[in-house]
Amino acid sequence: DAGVIQSPRHEVTEMGQEVTLRCKPISGHDYLFWYRQTMMRGLELLIYFNNNVPIDDSGMPEDRFSAKMPNASFSTLKIQPSEPRDSAVYFCASSLEGFTEAFFGQGTRLTVV
Amino acid sequence: SQQGEEDPQALSIQEGENATMNCSYKTSINNLQWYRQNSGRGLVHLILIRSNEREKHSGRLRVTLDTSKKSSSLLITASRAADTASYFCAYTGGFKTIFGAGTRLFVKA
Repeated sequence: DAGVIQSPRHEVTEMGQEVTLRCKPISGHDYLFWYRQTMMRGLELLIYFNNNVPIDDSGMPEDRFSAKMPNASFSTLKIQPSEPRDSAVYFCASSLEGFTEAFFGQGTRLTVV
Repeated sequence: SQQGEEDPQALSIQEGENATMNCSYKTSINNLQWYRQNSGRGLVHLILIRSNEREKHSGRLRVTLDTSKKSSSLLITASRAADTASYFCAYTGGFKTIFGAGTRLFVKA
């Protein structure tokens, strides 16, 4: 397996634009996590899915953020409209057994100008 | 902030020396994990220790857990330049994993 695949690796967008980040988890992993990493706040869990169902989205900062998992092999994180304070590295991770060993993607570095 | 606490924030050692990083947390936990992150890359899982375990080894890594003190430590023995990275603890209580702020380790060749 190629591991968790995220796209794009880098995204630069203007304030107010819609941004969509994509993730393909490892096949067979039932859990998918979206994290955000910044210097100020470190690594924060935004939302996680179990068997494609969102379980806990309490970490999603605002209504501007939304995440979907239409099937077991694909998830998106959308920011609409984007703001400069959304600039961060966004990671997707998947795991076989909930909150145990998680496999992280390479991340998407988002810059909102 | 959701972060757990790690110390030191940064550590610089010579190749061949041992590196020790500490993590403290505030809640009861199910398990505690350590991850490594190279610059610009995703996190890589190193080791998991369950709440009923006190010590675990994996190659040059040794992890201890003291639930009475709500703390854990990661020891890397005989460090190599390739060990240069950031190291994060991540503790799980209930249905949430919280990551520490990380320790940046620099190993000089």
